[in-house]
Amino acid sequence: QQQVKQSPQSLIVQKGGISIINCAYENTAFDYFPWYQQFPGKGPALLIAIRPDVSEKKEGRFTISFNKSAKQFSLHIMDSQPGDSATYFCAASGNTGFQKLVFGTGTRLLVSP
Amino acid sequence: SQTIHQWPATLVQPVGSPLSLECTVEGTSNPNLYWYRQAAGRGLQLLFYSVGIGQISSEVPQNLSASRPQDRQFILSSKKLLLSDSGFYLCAWRLGDGYTFGSGTRLTVV
Repeated sequence: QQQVKQSPQSLIVQKGGISIINCAYENTAFDYFPWYQQFPGKGPALLIAIRPDVSEKKEGRFTISFNKSAKQFSLHIMDSQPGDSATYFCAASGNTGFQKLVFGTGTRLLVSP
Repeated sequence: SQTIHQWPATLVQPVGSPLSLECTVEGTSNPNLYWYRQAAGRGLQLLFYSVGIGQISSEVPQNLSASRPQDRQFILSSKKLLLSDSGFYLCAWRLGDGYTFGSGTRLTVV
């Protein structure tokens, strides 16, 4: 129940296209859903996050869509750029006890020029 | 401003040797601190977390241990490294909901 399932494992998108990464969870106690971006040899960096009280959050070219009933959330990268090539992790944490962040397995995105 | 420091950046150690990775944070007090491991091409696995000095919780049984001797210092250790301990080790601290990660240590056990 603590898992966050992420897909696809890898993704190739042409420059200017839309990148979509999906995550699903089972634990209904999760109430915080961040996305992290990681470049090779670096630690992950927080990209954007959402709480279940909204269905969508947009920051620049990055949008999180959240479907509470389906227990799914996704990251959309509009107008994808080669500089977006990185590994993306979804994550989730709960609102009770010690709120550990549970990560998905990651998606390696390659944006071709 | 808050910053997190992690060292060394890379480390090559023989099997059976000891390990000590250090993480320190600046600009905050009593942070929640975490050690994650990332195996090649895989996700982030939580190893240990700490809510205060001397308070360590382990997530998975393993060859590693953690200690928090000071409020803003978190140390990951091993007495005898195994080949399977190779990976990318990340320290993180929590500010509000978000986690901030260090730059990581690439450990190769040979």
